[in-house]
Amino acid sequence: EAGVTQFPSHSVIEKGQTVTLRCDPISGHDNLYWYRRVMGKEIKFLLHFVKESKQDESGMPNNRFLAERTGGTYSTLKVQPAELEDSGVYFCASSQRGTSSFFGPGTRLTVL
Amino acid sequence: GNSVTQMEGPVTLSEEAFLTINCTYTATGYPSLFWYVQYPGEGLQLLLKATKADDKGSNKGFEATYRKETTSFHLEKGSVQVSDSAVYFCALSRTGTASKLTFGTGTRLQVTL
Repeated sequence: EAGVTQFPSHSVIEKGQTVTLRCDPISGHDNLYWYRRVMGKEIKFLLHFVKESKQDESGMPNNRFLAERTGGTYSTLKVQPAELEDSGVYFCASSQRGTSSFFGPGTRLTVL
Repeated sequence: GNSVTQMEGPVTLSEEAFLTINCTYTATGYPSLFWYVQYPGEGLQLLLKATKADDKGSNKGFEATYRKETTSFHLEKGSVQVSDSAVYFCALSRTGTASKLTFGTGTRLQVTL
Protein backbone atom coordinates (compact mmCIF):
# COMPACT_ATOMS: atom_id res chain seq x y z
CA GLU A 1 0.00 0.00 0.00
CA ALA A 2 1.39 3.38 -0.99
CA GLY A 3 1.93 5.87 1.78
CA VAL A 4 1.18 9.57 1.86
CA THR A 5 3.05 11.34 -0.91
CA GLN A 6 3.87 15.02 -1.26
CA PHE A 7 5.11 17.06 -4.17
CA PRO A 8 7.47 18.78 -4.59
CA SER A 9 10.00 17.65 -2.01
CA HIS A 10 11.71 21.04 -2.14
CA SER A 11 10.67 24.42 -3.45
CA VAL A 12 12.70 27.61 -3.55
CA ILE A 13 10.82 30.74 -4.55
CA GLU A 14 11.18 34.47 -4.23
CA LYS A 15 9.07 36.63 -1.98
CA GLY A 16 5.86 37.59 -3.72
CA GLN A 17 5.68 34.50 -5.90
CA THR A 18 3.06 31.76 -5.71
CA VAL A 19 3.68 28.17 -4.75
CA THR A 20 1.32 25.20 -4.75
CA LEU A 21 2.03 22.13 -2.67
CA ARG A 22 0.32 18.84 -3.33
CA CYS A 23 -0.55 15.95 -1.05
CA ASP A 24 -1.85 12.52 -2.05
CA PRO A 25 -3.22 10.72 1.01
CA ILE A 26 -3.43 6.99 1.48
CA SER A 27 -6.26 5.64 -0.65
CA GLY A 28 -9.51 5.50 1.26
CA HIS A 29 -8.45 7.88 4.00
CA ASP A 30 -11.18 10.46 4.54
CA ASN A 31 -9.16 12.63 6.93
CA LEU A 32 -6.40 14.79 5.53
CA TYR A 33 -4.34 17.24 7.56
CA TRP A 34 -1.80 19.91 6.77
CA TYR A 35 0.90 20.88 9.27
CA ARG A 36 3.91 23.17 9.14
CA ARG A 37 7.21 23.24 10.97
CA VAL A 38 9.07 26.50 10.95
CA MET A 39 12.81 26.10 11.56
CA GLY A 40 13.48 24.55 14.97
CA LYS A 41 9.99 25.08 16.29
CA GLU A 42 7.08 22.77 16.92
CA ILE A 43 5.00 21.26 14.16
CA LYS A 44 1.83 23.31 13.97
CA PHE A 45 -1.57 22.28 12.69
CA LEU A 46 -2.91 24.20 9.71
CA LEU A 47 -6.15 22.53 8.71
CA HIS A 48 -8.17 19.34 8.54
CA PHE A 49 -10.31 17.99 5.70
CA VAL A 50 -12.92 15.30 6.02
CA LYS A 51 -13.36 14.14 2.46
CA GLU A 52 -13.74 17.40 0.52
CA SER A 53 -15.01 19.50 3.44
CA LYS A 54 -12.88 21.70 5.68
CA GLN A 55 -13.51 20.39 9.19
CA ASP A 56 -11.12 22.72 10.99
CA GLU A 57 -9.05 25.51 9.48
CA SER A 58 -8.20 27.25 12.73
CA GLY A 59 -4.47 26.92 12.15
CA MET A 60 -4.32 28.69 8.79
CA PRO A 61 -2.07 31.71 9.41
CA ASN A 62 -3.77 34.19 7.06
CA ASN A 63 -5.66 34.56 3.81
CA ARG A 64 -2.52 34.11 1.73
CA PHE A 65 -2.97 30.38 2.31
CA LEU A 66 -5.63 28.46 0.39
CA ALA A 67 -6.22 24.75 0.73
CA GLU A 68 -8.45 22.63 -1.46
CA ARG A 69 -9.42 19.02 -1.69
CA THR A 70 -11.64 18.68 -4.70
CA GLY A 71 -13.32 15.30 -4.95
CA GLY A 72 -12.04 14.27 -1.57
CA THR A 73 -8.83 12.74 -2.90
CA TYR A 74 -5.62 14.74 -3.20
CA SER A 75 -5.21 18.17 -1.66
CA THR A 76 -3.36 21.31 -2.63
CA LEU A 77 -2.06 24.12 -0.46
CA LYS A 78 -1.39 27.36 -2.27
CA VAL A 79 0.58 30.24 -0.82
CA GLN A 80 0.01 33.50 -2.66
CA PRO A 81 1.95 35.74 -2.37
CA ALA A 82 4.68 34.00 -0.41
CA GLU A 83 6.47 35.85 2.38
CA LEU A 84 9.80 35.12 4.06
CA GLU A 85 8.12 33.80 7.22
CA ASP A 86 6.34 31.12 5.18
CA SER A 87 9.59 29.18 4.89
CA GLY A 88 9.49 25.80 6.61
CA VAL A 89 8.55 22.19 6.10
CA TYR A 90 4.93 21.49 5.20
CA PHE A 91 3.66 18.07 6.21
CA CYS A 92 0.55 16.33 5.06
CA ALA A 93 -1.04 13.47 6.99
CA SER A 94 -4.03 11.23 6.45
CA SER A 95 -6.05 8.87 8.57
CA GLN A 96 -9.10 6.70 8.45
CA ARG A 97 -11.76 6.92 11.11
CA GLY A 98 -10.37 5.89 14.50
CA THR A 99 -6.79 5.36 13.35
CA SER A 100 -3.56 7.24 13.88
CA SER A 101 -2.30 9.66 11.28
CA PHE A 102 0.22 8.65 8.61
CA PHE A 103 2.54 11.42 7.52
CA GLY A 104 4.11 12.23 4.21
CA PRO A 105 7.81 13.12 3.83
CA GLY A 106 7.07 16.85 3.77
CA THR A 107 7.77 19.69 1.36
CA ARG A 108 10.60 22.01 2.31
CA LEU A 109 9.68 25.54 1.23
CA THR A 110 12.28 28.26 1.12
CA VAL A 111 11.18 31.82 0.40
CA LEU A 112 14.05 34.16 -0.51
CA GLY B 1 -5.61 25.20 25.07
CA ASN B 2 -3.59 22.05 24.55
CA SER B 3 0.19 22.13 24.64
CA VAL B 4 3.15 19.77 24.75
CA THR B 5 6.53 20.50 26.29
CA GLN B 6 9.50 18.29 25.63
CA MET B 7 13.12 18.55 26.58
CA GLU B 8 15.35 20.50 24.32
CA GLY B 9 18.08 18.82 22.42
CA PRO B 10 20.28 17.85 20.99
CA VAL B 11 20.79 14.78 23.12
CA THR B 12 24.07 13.00 22.42
CA LEU B 13 24.58 9.48 23.72
CA SER B 14 27.01 6.65 23.20
CA GLU B 15 25.69 3.42 21.72
CA GLU B 16 24.08 1.16 24.36
CA ALA B 17 23.38 4.06 26.70
CA PHE B 18 20.00 4.55 28.38
CA LEU B 19 17.71 7.13 26.82
CA THR B 20 15.06 9.32 28.40
CA ILE B 21 13.33 12.14 26.56
CA ASN B 22 10.94 14.01 28.81
CA CYS B 23 7.49 15.07 27.64
CA THR B 24 4.74 16.78 29.63
CA TYR B 25 1.41 18.01 28.41
CA THR B 26 -1.48 20.31 29.16
CA ALA B 27 -4.88 19.29 27.86
CA THR B 28 -8.56 19.31 28.64
CA GLY B 29 -10.15 15.94 29.14
CA TYR B 30 -8.27 12.75 28.45
CA PRO B 31 -6.09 13.03 25.35
CA SER B 32 -4.32 10.31 23.44
CA LEU B 33 -0.54 10.60 23.55
CA PHE B 34 1.98 9.81 20.82
CA TRP B 35 5.66 9.71 20.02
CA TYR B 36 6.57 10.30 16.39
CA VAL B 37 10.07 9.91 14.97
CA GLN B 38 11.66 11.55 11.95
CA TYR B 39 14.76 9.83 10.61
CA PRO B 40 17.12 11.87 8.42
CA GLY B 41 15.60 12.56 5.02
CA GLU B 42 12.30 10.90 5.87
CA GLY B 43 8.81 11.89 7.03
CA LEU B 44 7.27 11.46 10.45
CA GLN B 45 6.55 7.93 11.57
CA LEU B 46 4.40 6.89 14.48
CA LEU B 47 6.67 5.25 17.05
CA LEU B 48 4.18 4.45 19.79
CA LYS B 49 1.00 5.67 21.40
CA ALA B 50 -1.18 5.38 24.50
CA THR B 51 -4.84 6.25 24.71
CA LYS B 52 -5.62 6.17 28.42
CA ALA B 53 -4.00 6.63 31.80
CA ASP B 54 -1.42 4.01 32.84
CA ASP B 55 -1.27 2.58 29.32
CA LYS B 56 2.25 1.78 28.14
CA GLY B 57 3.06 2.18 24.49
CA SER B 58 6.05 0.26 23.15
CA ASN B 59 7.78 -0.33 19.84
CA LYS B 60 11.34 -1.11 18.66
CA GLY B 61 12.60 -1.21 22.25
CA PHE B 62 11.14 2.21 23.05
CA GLU B 63 8.54 2.63 25.79
CA ALA B 64 6.41 5.43 27.21
CA THR B 65 3.81 5.31 29.98
CA TYR B 66 0.79 7.63 30.11
CA ARG B 67 0.98 9.24 33.57
CA LYS B 68 -2.12 11.28 34.23
CA GLU B 69 -1.05 12.32 37.74
CA THR B 70 2.10 13.98 36.41
CA THR B 71 0.71 14.75 32.91
CA SER B 72 3.75 13.11 31.41
CA PHE B 73 4.64 10.67 28.64
CA HIS B 74 8.42 10.26 28.82
CA LEU B 75 10.14 8.20 26.12
CA GLU B 76 12.69 5.61 27.25
CA LYS B 77 14.96 3.02 25.70
CA GLY B 78 17.33 0.81 27.59
CA SER B 79 20.09 0.59 24.99
CA VAL B 80 20.21 2.98 22.06
CA GLN B 81 21.80 2.23 18.71
CA VAL B 82 23.35 4.49 16.10
CA SER B 83 20.30 3.81 13.94
CA ASP B 84 18.10 5.50 16.56
CA SER B 85 19.60 8.87 15.65
CA ALA B 86 16.60 10.98 14.65
CA VAL B 87 14.27 13.75 15.82
CA TYR B 88 11.60 12.62 18.27
CA PHE B 89 8.28 14.46 18.64
CA CYS B 90 5.82 14.09 21.48
CA ALA B 91 2.21 14.84 20.54
CA LEU B 92 -1.36 14.64 21.77
CA SER B 93 -4.84 14.60 20.32
CA ARG B 94 -8.38 14.23 21.52
CA THR B 95 -9.31 10.60 22.03
CA GLY B 96 -11.97 8.81 20.10
CA THR B 97 -12.38 10.94 17.02
CA ALA B 98 -10.24 12.02 14.14
CA SER B 99 -8.50 15.02 15.53
CA LYS B 100 -5.53 17.25 14.92
CA LEU B 101 -2.26 16.60 16.68
CA THR B 102 -0.56 19.10 18.97
CA PHE B 103 3.21 18.63 18.89
CA GLY B 104 6.17 19.51 21.02
CA THR B 105 9.22 21.16 19.53
CA GLY B 106 11.06 17.90 18.87
CA THR B 107 14.24 16.51 20.41
CA ARG B 108 17.18 15.59 18.23
CA LEU B 109 18.99 12.43 19.35
CA GLN B 110 22.50 11.70 18.15
CA VAL B 111 23.95 8.31 19.01
CA THR B 112 27.67 7.76 18.53
CA LEU B 113 29.83 4.65 18.52
